[in-house]
Amino acid sequence: DAGVIQSPRHEVTEMGQEVTLRCKPISGHDYLFWYRQTMMRGLELLIYFNNNVPIDDSGMPEDRFSAKMPNASFSTLKIQPSEPRDSAVYFCASSLEGNTIYFGEGSWLTVV
Amino acid sequence: TQLLEQSPQFLSIQEGENLTVYCNSSSVFSSLQWYRQEPGEGPVLLVTVVTGGEVKKLKRLTFQFGDARKDSSLHITAAQPGDTGLYLCAWRTSNYQLIWGAGTKLIIKP
Repeated sequence: DAGVIQSPRHEVTEMGQEVTLRCKPISGHDYLFWYRQTMMRGLELLIYFNNNVPIDDSGMPEDRFSAKMPNASFSTLKIQPSEPRDSAVYFCASSLEGNTIYFGEGSWLTVV
Repeated sequence: TQLLEQSPQFLSIQEGENLTVYCNSSSVFSSLQWYRQEPGEGPVLLVTVVTGGEVKKLKRLTFQFGDARKDSSLHITAAQPGDTGLYLCAWRTSNYQLIWGAGTKLIIKP
């Protein structure tokens, strides 16, 4: 079975540009999570969805970040405009209710 | 101050040695989870400990949940280079979020 699929795996962009990260959760999973990982702050939950509905976005850093889940098989995390401090690894993860959370391989973002 | 304090932050040892890493808190948890994250990958769940005093074994890895359910430890026997990675403890909240420790970065030298 395919795991959580994220794209792109690596992205280098210039400050001020829009960045869109994509995620395909495991089929049948009803929870989808977006995490950010940095050396300084470790893993942080940005937002999570249940049945495509955003439940808690309190971890989203600021208005420059937005996330959508138009259907059960696709989610996006958008940063506009991007800043160098947004450089991090962004993980998408999914789970079926309270069961194991499975993580994607991450999207490595560098903003220069 | 993090809810879950992991120690040590970094550990580099020779293949074949034993090691223990810790996850401590002043809070009581219904359960704790341990994950391993290899370079370039996402975290992967190793184990969930639920009962105070519980011990779970996964091959050469032994996980223990403290009697008071405030802390947990991971002991690796005869470490191998394949054990290299970032070991994270986490608390799964009632609404299925994960609260993470900062992790222990483990390097096993051949």
